[in-house]
Amino acid sequence: DTAVSQTPKYLVTQMGNDKSIKCEQNLGHDTMYWYKQDSKKFLKIMFSYNNKELIINETVPNRFSPKSPDKAHLNLHINSLELGDSAVYFCASSQDPQDIQYFGAGTRLSVL
Amino acid sequence: SQKIEQNSEALNIQEGKTATLTCNYTNYSPAYLQWYRQDPGRGPVFLLLIRENEKEKRKERLKVTFDTTLKQSLFHITASQPADSATYLCALDIYNQGGKLIFGQGTELSVKP
Repeated sequence: DTAVSQTPKYLVTQMGNDKSIKCEQNLGHDTMYWYKQDSKKFLKIMFSYNNKELIINETVPNRFSPKSPDKAHLNLHINSLELGDSAVYFCASSQDPQDIQYFGAGTRLSVL
Repeated sequence: SQKIEQNSEALNIQEGKTATLTCNYTNYSPAYLQWYRQDPGRGPVFLLLIRENEKEKRKERLKVTFDTTLKQSLFHITASQPADSATYLCALDIYNQGGKLIFGQGTELSVKP
């Protein structure tokens, strides 16, 4: 039973499209995150939610919008996709903001 | 400017030897430092956490040291095995930043039989 699951695993789309990535955790954690890992393998935080409230919002284009319908889910919507959005996106969760983070397997987004 | 660097992008060692990975940072005041392992096509997996007031932490064949004066953490894998081959990431957790982790670029470790 996967602790942090993301769907889809692969996403190939055209520039200008809108897409969503879903994340669910069954660990009972209060905090969830979205990270972006670029081609140079740098893992950079984008957003964090604690108890469905946004607590970290890095300098990310407005085209990216996280949505947390409940504590177990944090989805990422991306509008008007650009070539530079191509990367691997990881969802993670932790019991609280200062705790160990558990990562999903990642979603590889390719924008053509 | 704030920076976190891992000593090398790749490290090749012989099975049975000790692998030592370095993580240096500047202009950060971390509450603690974490080490993660990442295999190709997978998400990072937590290994060890060391707090600013701790000098050393061990877990089985893994050992982490944390020197806040030198602004450096060393990660050791003793009696290394080919199964230890992976990318290792260090991450800083900064005070009062809501759990924001700052990751290094990773060191790819390859253990040859």
